Amino acid sequence: DGGITQSPKYLFRKEGQNVTLSCEQNLNHDAMYWYRQDPGQGLRLIYYSQIVNDFQKGDIAEGYSVSREKKESFPLTVTSAQKNPTAFYLCASRGIGDTQYFGPGTRLTVL
Amino acid sequence: GDSVTQMEGPVTLSEEAFLTINCTYTATGYPSLFWYVQYPGEGLQLLLKATKADDKGSNKGFEATYRKETTSFHLEKGSVQVSDSAVYFCALSLASGGSYIPTFGRGTSLIVHP
Repeated sequence: DGGITQSPKYLFRKEGQNVTLSCEQNLNHDAMYWYRQDPGQGLRLIYYSQIVNDFQKGDIAEGYSVSREKKESFPLTVTSAQKNPTAFYLCASRGIGDTQYFGPGTRLTVL
Repeated sequence: GDSVTQMEGPVTLSEEAFLTINCTYTATGYPSLFWYVQYPGEGLQLLLKATKADDKGSNKGFEATYRKETTSFHLEKGSVQVSDSAVYFCALSLASGGSYIPTFGRGTSLIVHP
C-alpha cells in the first residue's frame, strides 16, 4: 500500500538534545512538508521541499532543520535551539490536484 | 496573505442531527479548497475538495460547495453519526512562485452523542 510512514510514534527528548523524526513516502511525490500541530493552533508549516536536494523554510523554521537527499525521505531534526518543542508533528506530501497526504504523526515530549 | 477562517468548536450534536461547519477564505488568486478530517491521535486525511467556483465536493455524506461570491466552502452533512466525531480542517492551496503552500484553518472539533 502506498502512503507515508513516520517514526517513532512517540518520542521523548531531554533538554539540550537534538532529535530526528523520520518521514518516508512511497507515493512517488516530489513535494513534501513538515507541520507542527498544537492544541487549538491548527497546522503550522515548518519546512517544505518541492524537489530532491532543495527545501525552503516555512512559517516556524527556527530551531528545526531538514534534509532531502532522496525523493522518498524527508527527516526533520528538532534542535536544542527550539525552546518549546513539545507538540504533534505531521509529515505530508503533495499529490495530484494539490491534495496533501499525511503520515500518522509523531508526538514529541520534552522531559 | 492567504487565510482560512473556520467556526470555533467544539460543535456538539446528537446523532442524526444536521451539521454545518462554516469556512471562509481570503486568497489573492483562485485556490483549490479542501476539507480534511483528523481522528484522535492520527494524521489528517482528505474528506473532499473542489477546484473551481460552483464545484461541489462530496464524500461519505459530507458536502461542500465552492462559493466564489462569498469566498466560502461550508461543510454540511444531513445526518451525523457518532463515528463522525473528529476534528475538521478547511484548507486552501494556491500556487505561489512555483510552490504550492497550503493554508489551513484552525480546525473545528465535532462531538456527536448517541
